[in-house]
Amino acid sequence: AQSVAQPEDQVNVAEGNPLTVKCTYSVSGNPYLFWYVQYPNRGLQFLLKYITGDNLVKGSYGFEAEFNKSQTSFHLKKPSALVSDSALYFCAVRDSWDAGKSTFGDGTTLTVKP
Amino acid sequence: GAGVSQSPSNKVTEKGKDVELRCDPISGHTALYWYRQSLGQGLEFLIYFQGNSAPDKSGLPSDRFSAERTGGSVSTLTIQRTQQEDSAVYLCASSTRDRYNEQFFGPGTRLTVL
Repeated sequence: AQSVAQPEDQVNVAEGNPLTVKCTYSVSGNPYLFWYVQYPNRGLQFLLKYITGDNLVKGSYGFEAEFNKSQTSFHLKKPSALVSDSALYFCAVRDSWDAGKSTFGDGTTLTVKP
Repeated sequence: GAGVSQSPSNKVTEKGKDVELRCDPISGHTALYWYRQSLGQGLEFLIYFQGNSAPDKSGLPSDRFSAERTGGSVSTLTIQRTQQEDSAVYLCASSTRDRYNEQFFGPGTRLTVL
């Protein structure tokens, strides 16, 4: 079985400050990890993914995420937040043993204030 | 190239009626997914197809829900005898067969059951 947890429903940061959106996962095999973003009144868009290799992955719009196997985490980060980053963020996992199915977290609403 | 399209964009129906939701994936994408997103909630996995086959139907909420895919392309999600709790946004996504690849989402169908 696979599962994803996003422990924070809401994250608030000031523009220019660093941001972190947390994600932890559970899989039986090796994890394939993804972050997606949903802007208001728009569809979900892919941000970045970890499959293998370097634990720090970089994605769209200046976002990056760090895979930590021992902590089973894949936190999303950005060094300097923009107001336009305000959106709903979803972490998703696929299990290498059953890679057809994706499990999404409940989402974290990020609000960046000017 | 065109993205994932879904129709209708909005559907209002009366309790007890049947509805059909359509998804047109990106050309060449062999994997197709259906999710449900209730207001303020995360993505609930419903079903996925690899080609015309559905290896995992575990997410379908009840036997009132069914889905099919023909020609490895268009998919329809059918909800029979709709209930008010079926009201949600139904999202479709597609991806290449490669398990490492991200999903591309459609804009969704907003279903309201009165």
